[in-house]
This record gives sequence, structure tokens and C-alpha cells, in this order.
Amino acid sequence: EAGVVQSPRYKIIEKKQPVAFWCNPISGHNTLYWYLQNLGQGPELLIRYENEEAVDDSQLPKDRFSAERLKGVDSTLKIQPAELGDSAVYLCASSPRTGEGSYEQYFGPGTRLTVT
Amino acid sequence: GDSVTQMEGPVTLSEEAFLTINCTYTATGYPSLFWYVQYPGEGLQLLLKATKADDKGSNKGFEATYRKETTSFHLEKGSVQVSDSAVYFCALSGGTSYGKLTFGQGTILTVHP
Repeated sequence: EAGVVQSPRYKIIEKKQPVAFWCNPISGHNTLYWYLQNLGQGPELLIRYENEEAVDDSQLPKDRFSAERLKGVDSTLKIQPAELGDSAVYLCASSPRTGEGSYEQYFGPGTRLTVT
Repeated sequence: GDSVTQMEGPVTLSEEAFLTINCTYTATGYPSLFWYVQYPGEGLQLLLKATKADDKGSNKGFEATYRKETTSFHLEKGSVQVSDSAVYFCALSGGTSYGKLTFGQGTILTVHP
């Protein structure tokens, strides 16, 4: 079974430029998550999708961040314009569906963003 | 809101030493508890989990017991190997963290031959 796929693995951009990250979850997983992981810290949820619906985007900085999950499969996370403080690892995860803890979240390798 | 606190790292051990990484949590209700591991250059992998009080999660020689009375979920291994070198994250889900994982800050473990 293929795992969660993310691309690109690394991205270097100048501040004020746009950037986009792509995620393909495990086949059949209805729930998709985007997490932000700053250096030396644990991941923090940005947005959670149930199929194509964003059910928790309370931590997404909506002035510059946007996300979509068309057709309830792949997802794209965009930043426009990027700021120096956005340098971090962006993790995508998926699970069969949301639960209190019964459903394991499977993580992709992440995209490491560097904003110069 | 919910939170997870892990012991400060990094932790450096010799091969075959005993490992303990402390984890305590603050949460409403009865969360599920997890340990994730992140090897260099790879994504987070679930190491073990426990979904109710007094449950013991175990995998690959690692163990952790859900202690509601002390709100703890300490990770232990009797004899570490060089291949266990990684970053370990304690996390919870449920309560106000429904639908997401709330992570600790991670503990870097380095095991020397």
C-alpha cells in the first residue's frame, strides 16, 4: 500500500513569492490533515478535511494561506505571499475517518520550506 | 486547551542502555495517547498508542502505560539500539483535541555504539 505522498520535498523561495504544496493521501482515506512543524517543535494542525469539506480550519492564517481538496482526494496548500516566518516543514496526514483516537493518522515525509 | 509536555532533550545513551522519555498531558475528558517517531529524513510514524486508562501500548520493544491518576504516558525501552536514534513525539487526541493530534515538542534520542 502506498503511503501519503507529498511534493515537493524541498522548496526555497524569496519572501513575497507564492508557493504551493501538494498531497496525495492513502487511497480510501476520507480525512486529510495539514500540519505545520517549526524547527524543534511538534506539529500543529492547520486544517482538517472530511472528504472535500474543510471541517476545522481555525488555525489556518487565512490572510495568506489557502487550501483545497477537490473531489475529496488530493489536496493543495498555498501561501501567498510567503513571509520569512513561514519557513518550516509542512506535513500532510490522512486517516480512514475522524475518530477519538481509534484511527491512526499516517504522515507523509513533509515539504521543507525555506523563505529567504 | 489540551497540551502535552515532554522531557527536555536531547537524550544520549549507549547501546543496550535503558530508555525513559517522560510525557505528561493536560486534557479534558478521556483522550487517546500516542507516541510517534520521526527518523531522519522520514515522516512521522506511529510507534504505539493507548486509548483508555491503564492500557499499555507496545511495539518494537517500546512500552508506555496510560496513567490517568498522574496524567502521564512515559515511553520506555529496556535495551536501546543505534537504530532507535530518532525524534520521539508524545501526542493526544480527543477532548478539545477531537479530530486532531496535539503534540509535545519532541525529544531527540541519540544512541551510540
